[in-house]
Amino acid sequence: QTVVTQEPSLTVSPGGTVTLTCASSTGAVTSGFYPNWFQQKPGQAPRALIYSTSNNHPWTPARFSGSLLGDKAALTLSGVQPEDEAEYYCLLYYGGVQVFGGGTKLTVL
Amino acid sequence: EVQLVESGGGLVKPGGSLRLLCAASGFTFNTYNMNWVRQAPGKGLEWVSSISSSSHYIYYADSVQGRFTISRDNAKNSLFLQMNSLRVEDTAVYYCARDDVGPDYWGQGTRVTVSS
Repeated sequence: QTVVTQEPSLTVSPGGTVTLTCASSTGAVTSGFYPNWFQQKPGQAPRALIYSTSNNHPWTPARFSGSLLGDKAALTLSGVQPEDEAEYYCLLYYGGVQVFGGGTKLTVL
Repeated sequence: EVQLVESGGGLVKPGGSLRLLCAASGFTFNTYNMNWVRQAPGKGLEWVSSISSSSHYIYYADSVQGRFTISRDNAKNSLFLQMNSLRVEDTAVYYCARDDVGPDYWGQGTRVTVSS
């Protein structure tokens, strides 16, 4: 059973910078896992932010960026806004199978 | 404008069946892979199943393998999820999502409750 692990929760101050990570139980995360990142606010459907490690969707604010950091995928928010408070999920591809991380609850305080 | 609208959810007893529908519009449906993703109450996202544009490749999560069947009708721009032998733990909001190197557009979801 493949497990994708994220920080359960993080707190950041408005205007600050925070990095969320995404690890795979199978080993290092590479671009071949096509890491994706999603934002979900209470009562809403998820919204796609990042695809294929570091590509922003047209609607993704520029303050969101994706990368590989060591052996993990990472999502960095720079200049955090109050509206960025949400749950964030990563998704990794294992061939045809996809696995979501457990999510990171980001608090902006 | 890309739109995905799920329907077919509801209350069903354990062991029962439901068929979910996702109606797609605003894009060339037959050129995209499609996904079903679910979210149990208060829990995280769980990928359920994917189907390629031509239905040639189909994948399932271990948790639903053998019980759920994904299919599509490209002539009707529709995606389906046939759910059999439903369990209490299948209770969730089910989302359909277009796949373009990752799920990009999502529907608003349809709620499935499995309870006696």
